[in-house]
Amino acid sequence: EVQLVESGGGLVQPGGSLRLSCGASGFTFSSFWMSWVRQAPGKGLEWVANINKDGSLEKYVDSVRGRFTISRDNVKNSVYLQMSSLRADDTAVYYCARDHLPNGERAFDFWGRGTMVTVSS
Amino acid sequence: EIVLTQSPATLSLSPGERATLSCRASQSVSSYLAWYQQKPGQAPRLLIYDASKRATGIPARFSGSGSETDFTLTIGSLEAEDAAVYYCQQRSDWPLTFGGGTKVET
Repeated sequence: EVQLVESGGGLVQPGGSLRLSCGASGFTFSSFWMSWVRQAPGKGLEWVANINKDGSLEKYVDSVRGRFTISRDNVKNSVYLQMSSLRADDTAVYYCARDHLPNGERAFDFWGRGTMVTVSS
Repeated sequence: EIVLTQSPATLSLSPGERATLSCRASQSVSSYLAWYQQKPGQAPRLLIYDASKRATGIPARFSGSGSETDFTLTIGSLEAEDAAVYYCQQRSDWPLTFGGGTKVET
């Protein structure tokens, strides 16, 4: 059974940093791109970043580029999101998602339950 | 950035009725469009990918159609458990983007 479990969320002051983790199980982690998607309270979904299978390619939405860094450890079956220079509008539930189906077709086919990040003084 | 516009914002229907949800892209996304269902307090669930392919385990009452800029998610016979927010999402170009969602009430 595919499982994705996020951790690392919490309350942080504006300008602060936080590192999110997502542990994966139930599939060959190193064979899949992975993404982070966020959802501000009461709002819709926003893709944040993704990373390719070996960690050599990263993509970001403009609003986080230069502040957030996605990375992965294929030995630990984990993907990370290092967030810095956090702003109030980064407040959201952050979901980890598998970035494509086993046959390569691109869609977020499995999601974690999310971890809440609150940026406030 | 490709903007996805979903309509209507809210759809109120009775069980057994047919639900038709629309997603319009600001430029062509070919068939690289997916649909997700999100219930309160839950993570999104993949329903449809590549515009019309049902994901594993998704009931046959959910179907997707369309290409280029106009897409439709149809729920053939609504069930009470289908009450949720539905999002479309494109993978044709960076950044990946989602529509604003359609809330289905039963």
